[in-house]
Amino acid sequence: KQEVTQIPAALSVPEGENLVLNCSFTDSAIYNLQWFRQDPGKGLTSLLLIQSSQREQTSGRLNASLDKSSGRSTLYIAASQPGDSATYLCAVQFNEGGGADGLTFGKGTHLIIQP
Amino acid sequence: DAGVTQSPTHLIKTRGQHVTLRCSPISGHKSVSWYQQVLGQGPQFIFQYYEKEERGRGNFPDRFSARQFPNYSSELNVNALLLGDSALYLCASSRTGRSGYTFGSGTRLTVV
Repeated sequence: KQEVTQIPAALSVPEGENLVLNCSFTDSAIYNLQWFRQDPGKGLTSLLLIQSSQREQTSGRLNASLDKSSGRSTLYIAASQPGDSATYLCAVQFNEGGGADGLTFGKGTHLIIQP
Repeated sequence: DAGVTQSPTHLIKTRGQHVTLRCSPISGHKSVSWYQQVLGQGPQFIFQYYEKEERGRGNFPDRFSARQFPNYSSELNVNALLLGDSALYLCASSRTGRSGYTFGSGTRLTVV
């Protein structure tokens, strides 16, 4: 069964710190990996999309890396701000050879940035 | 451009009833997917449609069904509602289905 795991489940850090969120997945045959942010009771906001042929993507203070061979991705947040407080979700689109093409999500990392 | 729009935003239903949720994708996006998210968990894949055909189905009972219309909008139907169907239902659209997804704000379904 294809699974996505996120570590840690929760994280609380002071404002201004750099931090890393981790995502691991069980199968290297993927189309892409996408990081999302979810605020309480809201939908998902896409942060970064990494295609299977790419190693990393950057957007502002965010950088995401992808290592298919080891089944890992990291989301790096630089100079964290209280507005970054949210749940961060990692989602993988596995290549099932014509089967279901849905995203498989981790359970998320609940991030709190202390002012 | 409008994002992915879902309706209604909130819904309360009684056990055994039927519900229809609606989704309009971003203009130019031909793929729509549906997800169920219960509190404290990541979203779970229900269905994916591309060019009006079902491309994939997650591990959900036959009480769940969906369809995509010629304008690429979509409906998710759930029959014989159970208390456990209470969740946030998310719709996502993609240009091709393998090019990254944009999510709507979701429909909060409460079954009492």
